[in-house]
Amino acid sequence: EAGVAQSPRYKIIEKRQSVAFWCNPISGHATLYWYQQILGQGPKLLIQFQNNGVVDDSQLPKDRFSAERLKGVDSTLKIQPAKLEDSAVYLCASSLGFQGNQPQHFGDGTRLSIL
Amino acid sequence: AQSVTQPDIHITVSEGASLELRCNYSYGATPYLFWYVQSPGQGLQLLLKYFSGDTLVQGIKGFEAEFKRSQSSFNLRKPSVHWSDAAEYFCAVGGGTNAGKSTFGDGTTLTVKP
Repeated sequence: EAGVAQSPRYKIIEKRQSVAFWCNPISGHATLYWYQQILGQGPKLLIQFQNNGVVDDSQLPKDRFSAERLKGVDSTLKIQPAKLEDSAVYLCASSLGFQGNQPQHFGDGTRLSIL
Repeated sequence: AQSVTQPDIHITVSEGASLELRCNYSYGATPYLFWYVQSPGQGLQLLLKYFSGDTLVQGIKGFEAEFKRSQSSFNLRKPSVHWSDAAEYFCAVGGGTNAGKSTFGDGTTLTVKP
């Protein structure tokens, strides 16, 4: 089966600019996750979707980050405006459901550098 | 709140030697526990998971982990390390009504000496 696809792989922007990331989950996976992974740390969940509804966005900085999953398939994550501390790898993952026994499958991530 | 501690930031072992990576978790009920591996420039790959039952779980690539409730630990082991095992390893805990939400540790980087 095809894995989780993310684009772009790399992005360099200046602070206060905006940026968007795209994720295409594994076909049939109802649950989609966006994580932020800062260098030297583990992934931190930003937002979790079940189909096109939000399950958890408690750690999403909503003043600058937004995400959507229209039609319950692809998803985009946007940052506007970007800050220096947003430099990180943004990982997308998907699973069949959000029961704990459903493993998460990760994409290769987008590495974001803020100048 | 759930949390994970991986006490060792970096571990170096010789090829062929045994490996143990430590993971301690904090969770109020029976947790779901996971180990993932991440190679440079790639996403995370699931090595193994524990939900219930036998406390010794087998995973891919010859890895195993043992759940010890009394110690709140879920250590990862491999009897003989290969050079290709060099990577970063993450332990994660989940559970409750949103069992899909996992909290990750900060990882252990494994270096394998020839």
